[in-house]
Amino acid sequence: AQRVTQPEKLLSVFKGAPVELKCNYSYSGSPELFWYVQYSRQRLQLLLRHISRESIKGFTADLNKGETSFHLKKPFAQEEDSAMYYCALSAGGFSGGYNKLIFGAGTRLAVHP
Amino acid sequence: EPEVTQTPSHQVTQMGQEVILRCVPISNHLYFYWYRQILGQKVEFLVSFYNNEISEKSEIFDDQFSVERPDGSNFTLKIRSTKLEDSAMYFCASSEVTSSNEQFFGPGTRLTVL
Repeated sequence: AQRVTQPEKLLSVFKGAPVELKCNYSYSGSPELFWYVQYSRQRLQLLLRHISRESIKGFTADLNKGETSFHLKKPFAQEEDSAMYYCALSAGGFSGGYNKLIFGAGTRLAVHP
Repeated sequence: EPEVTQTPSHQVTQMGQEVILRCVPISNHLYFYWYRQILGQKVEFLVSFYNNEISEKSEIFDDQFSVERPDGSNFTLKIRSTKLEDSAMYFCASSEVTSSNEQFFGPGTRLTVL
C-alpha cells in the first residue's frame, strides 16, 4: 500500500533552534518524494523534491531508502518558517506528470521568538 | 508568475444540490488534478485528467463526481447530488509535461454542505 506518515501534528521550537520534520513512506516501487508548505492563508506550494537535491530557504531533505524516510531539516529555524508542512509521495517514479500525489497528514511548525 | 486560480473561494449549498467548482490551470500545463481535504484530515487525491480524459481516479470519485474541460482554459469538478460528507476544501492542481511531477496548486474552494 502507498502511504505517507508524518508522526507529529505539531512541532514547536524557538527561533534559532534546529528543526526536523519527520516523514516516512511506504511504497514498493521507486518513489518521488516532495515537501509542500502552506503558509497561513496561502496555497500549497512546493518546497523541495528529492530528485533536485537542493536547499530551499535553508531546508534540506534526504531520501533514505533503507529507512523509507524523507525527513525535512533546517539547522536554525526562523519565525517566518511557521507553517503547515506536508510530505508527499508520487507513485510511479519519474514516468511523467500525471502521477497522483499521496500526502501525509501534515505537521504544523510553530517557531517562537 | 502564473498561478492556478479557483472559483468560488467558498460555496455553501444544500444537501442534494449540484455544485460546480471551477479551476483555471496554468496555461501551458496539460495535466490537471482535483484533491480534497476534509477538515482535520489529509489532502486526498480525487482524479487526474489529461488529453480530455480521466487518467486515474480514487475510490472517493464515484458516480456523483465528474470532471470536464469545457473550453481551453477551465477545468471543472461537478458533484451531482451533494452529501454532508462532501463538505471539504477542494484543491485544483496542474502540472507540465515533463519528467518532474511538480504540481501547482490553486488556493482551494471551501465547500459547505448544509
